[in-house]
Amino acid sequence: DAKTTQPNSMESNEEEPVHLPCNHSTISGTDYIHWYRQLPSQGPEYVIHGLTSNVNNRMASLAIAEDRKSSTLILHRATLRDAAVYYCILTSGTYKYIFGTGTRLKVLA
Amino acid sequence: EAGVAQSPRYKIIEKRQSVAFWCNPISGHATLYWYQQILGQGPKLLIQFQNNGVVDDSQLPKDRFSAERLKGVDSTLKIQPAKLEDSAVYLCASRLASPGANVLTFGAGSRLTVL
Repeated sequence: DAKTTQPNSMESNEEEPVHLPCNHSTISGTDYIHWYRQLPSQGPEYVIHGLTSNVNNRMASLAIAEDRKSSTLILHRATLRDAAVYYCILTSGTYKYIFGTGTRLKVLA
Repeated sequence: EAGVAQSPRYKIIEKRQSVAFWCNPISGHATLYWYQQILGQGPKLLIQFQNNGVVDDSQLPKDRFSAERLKGVDSTLKIQPAKLEDSAVYLCASRLASPGANVLTFGAGSRLTVL
């Protein structure tokens, strides 16, 4: 299983953009890049996923490097409700989702 | 649509006792996952089912953990006998098993405390 590397923690001010990085240098050509987040005392929830092109949805944007060895989750305007642990995960055809330790995002009022 | 249902939400047992957790996935979701999440860590995949067949159980401690999904719908995860280190939240997730269906939906989890 391809591995991802994320910073342990990050801080952001409320209403400012947040860029959460993820390195995945051993990604294979068919691996999808997924982001999930886990709010306190809840199960993880889906944020966004992509393969090669950048993706946008109502929650966030996903920017994927041209060589696909890294990606960045972008929260355009962080709110206090975005404080969570964010996980970057790679999956292939087996749809096996392996979570790492993620990035704990603190949002400051 | 209804979400992934799990029960019980909380369970406290003594070591060497047994416990079972139940999960009912979203209707039509053929793929079901059980994860163990120890405090401060990311979820660890224990077992992945496709309908009633096991896709991956390489991380399931089979000497004490067992899981089944007999009719390809709901699933049970059992621990017997429990150890102190099994204290964790047990998360169930499901996915619609069609190509490109990439969204896992998680239940709220079952929190186990082993004394």
